[in-house]
Amino acid sequence: KNEVEQSPQNLTAQEGEFITINCSYSVGISALHWLQQHPGGGIVSLFMLSSGKKKHGRLIATINIQEKHSSLHITASHPRDSAVYICAVSGGTSYGKLTFGQGTILTVHP
Amino acid sequence: EPEVTQTPSHQVTQMGQEVILRCVPISNHLYFYWYRQILGQKVEFLVSFYNNEISEKSEIFDDQFSVERPDGSNFTLKIRSTKLEDSAMYFCASSGQGRYNEQFFGPGTRLTVL
Repeated sequence: KNEVEQSPQNLTAQEGEFITINCSYSVGISALHWLQQHPGGGIVSLFMLSSGKKKHGRLIATINIQEKHSSLHITASHPRDSAVYICAVSGGTSYGKLTFGQGTILTVHP
Repeated sequence: EPEVTQTPSHQVTQMGQEVILRCVPISNHLYFYWYRQILGQKVEFLVSFYNNEISEKSEIFDDQFSVERPDGSNFTLKIRSTKLEDSAMYFCASSGQGRYNEQFFGPGTRLTVL
């Protein structure tokens, strides 16, 4: 069973700051997902990656398969980035089911 | 842009009643999932569905739960004899051609059991 741990659990930043959220997992995976959950509850997929690095706008996700670790970076943070960021993994013998971390609550102040 | 839809957005029911949560996945997707999130807790996997049958289920998904894809578009989760602890947000998700593809989530159904 894969254990997914995120840090920090809560993160407060000032607008414009560079933000990093970390995720580690215990068992080898096929893919790692970064998701965003807004206060209304809806979940949006940000990235899916199995190696290296991906970039989308101000968001960058990296993964180190050997160290079983991934990071999500937000450059030039903005109050609209305030949300819960969730790391989830899939792989092994599963049919794509996701195992989730507990989420990181990000608040960006103007 | 195609999206996953769920109805109702909020369901209130009495303990012991049956509820059906409905989802319409993205039309050409092949893999379907139900997850739930109890307030303040992490999202948990319930069940995956592929090729018209359950492909995997968690220990949470006991005989109280069932899933169906009755007409090729809808994907339903039925909870028989609801319990207080079934109160949660239920998310449907779907993914495309491969089981390790990106998953697209619906907006969720908030189930409140009184």
